[in-house]
Amino acid sequence: EEYLTESGGALVQPGGSLRLSCGASGFPLDIYNMNWVRQAPGKGLEWISYISITSNIIYYADSVKGRFTISRDNAENSVFLQMNSLRDDDTAVYYCAREGSLGMWGQGTLVTVSS
Amino acid sequence: DVVMTQSPLSLPVTLGQPASISCRSTQSLVYSDGNTYLNWFQQRPGQSPRRLIYQVSNRDSEVPDRFSGSGSGTDFTLRISRVEAEDVGVYYCMQDTHWPRTFGQGTKLEIK
Repeated sequence: EEYLTESGGALVQPGGSLRLSCGASGFPLDIYNMNWVRQAPGKGLEWISYISITSNIIYYADSVKGRFTISRDNAENSVFLQMNSLRDDDTAVYYCAREGSLGMWGQGTLVTVSS
Repeated sequence: DVVMTQSPLSLPVTLGQPASISCRSTQSLVYSDGNTYLNWFQQRPGQSPRRLIYQVSNRDSEVPDRFSGSGSGTDFTLRISRVEAEDVGVYYCMQDTHWPRTFGQGTKLEIK
């Protein structure tokens, strides 16, 4: 069975940092472009970052540009999201999603930014 | 950024009746390769989103054939031919023609 599993979500103070991980099971991650998408409590979906298979193409939403960094380790079958300078409005469930058109999603990991 | 506008935002439907959701974009979603990258997602209560339709009208595997997508350019529609109880949730359109990727606001489908 193929699935994605996010981890690393936690309660963090404003201005703090957190690193999220997304692991792939049942398939090799190194043949897929990957994304991070978030969903604030009770709100809609917001795409925030994309990384190509070889990491040569990376995109960010303006809302996270300069604060978040996406990366991947194909040998570890994982994708990461380093989140710095966290703000209250970064509070959300963070999902990783496979392919440019988000054909597979993980179960999400909750990030809460609060003092 | 391309703005995706869905309507209606709330959709009460009687079981067994059809349902339709509209999604309009502020720019054409036709990519330079000739394909149109418009997707539909379903998010059931308490679950992660799940893609139903990609490139306007292609159903994902295990998606019931009562779901269909259509449209072109800037105007797209998701149709459910006969709504079932398991269809309750929020439906989103998303474009992956342009950067940044953008979603519609979501349409909440409920049973009357």
